[in-house]
Amino acid sequence: EMQLVESGGAVVQPGGSLRLSCTASGFTFDDYTMHWVRQAPGKGLEWVSLISWDSAGTYYADSVKGRFTISRDNSKNSLYLQMNNVRTEDTALYYCTRGDYFGLDVWGQGTTVTVS
Amino acid sequence: EIVLTQSPGTLSLSPGERATLSCRASQSVSSNFLAWYQQKPGQAPRLLIHDASLRATGIPDRFSGSGSGTDFTLTISRLEPEDLAVYYCQQYGSSVWTFGQGTKVEIK
Repeated sequence: EMQLVESGGAVVQPGGSLRLSCTASGFTFDDYTMHWVRQAPGKGLEWVSLISWDSAGTYYADSVKGRFTISRDNSKNSLYLQMNNVRTEDTALYYCTRGDYFGLDVWGQGTTVTVS
Repeated sequence: EIVLTQSPGTLSLSPGERATLSCRASQSVSSNFLAWYQQKPGQAPRLLIHDASLRATGIPDRFSGSGSGTDFTLTISRLEPEDLAVYYCQQYGSSVWTFGQGTKVEIK
């Protein structure tokens, strides 16, 4: 069974830092582009960032560019999101998800980040 | 960045009725790389449609997608009670992916 499990969510003060992690299982991790998507309480989905299978390509939403860094370790089947200089508007449930030229087809259950 | 605008905001229909959800892009979506997702309360989103009209694995055939360029549609041919959810469109034709704001489907 394909699975993504996020961790690292916490309560953090504005201006602080946090690192989210996501561990994949049940599929060949280094075959796929990976993404972070977030959802603020009671709001819609917001795409955050993607990283190509070989880490050669990374892209960010304007709302996080320059503050967040996506990375991966294919030897550990793991995806990361380093969040620096966080703001109250970064409060959300953060999903790790697999996606390429077929949409986002595998999702984790999310990890909660609260900036307060 | 491509902005996706979904309408209506909320759709309230009875079981068995047809639901038509719209997604309009601020510029043409490359290669019609447009997906639809269903998110039920308390759950992660689920991929329904990709490439504008291709159903994802295991998705019932009452869900269908159509459209091209800047105008896309998700149709649920015969609503069932379990279709209560928020539906999102998303484009992946550019390096920066974006979602629409969602359409909530309520079952009368």
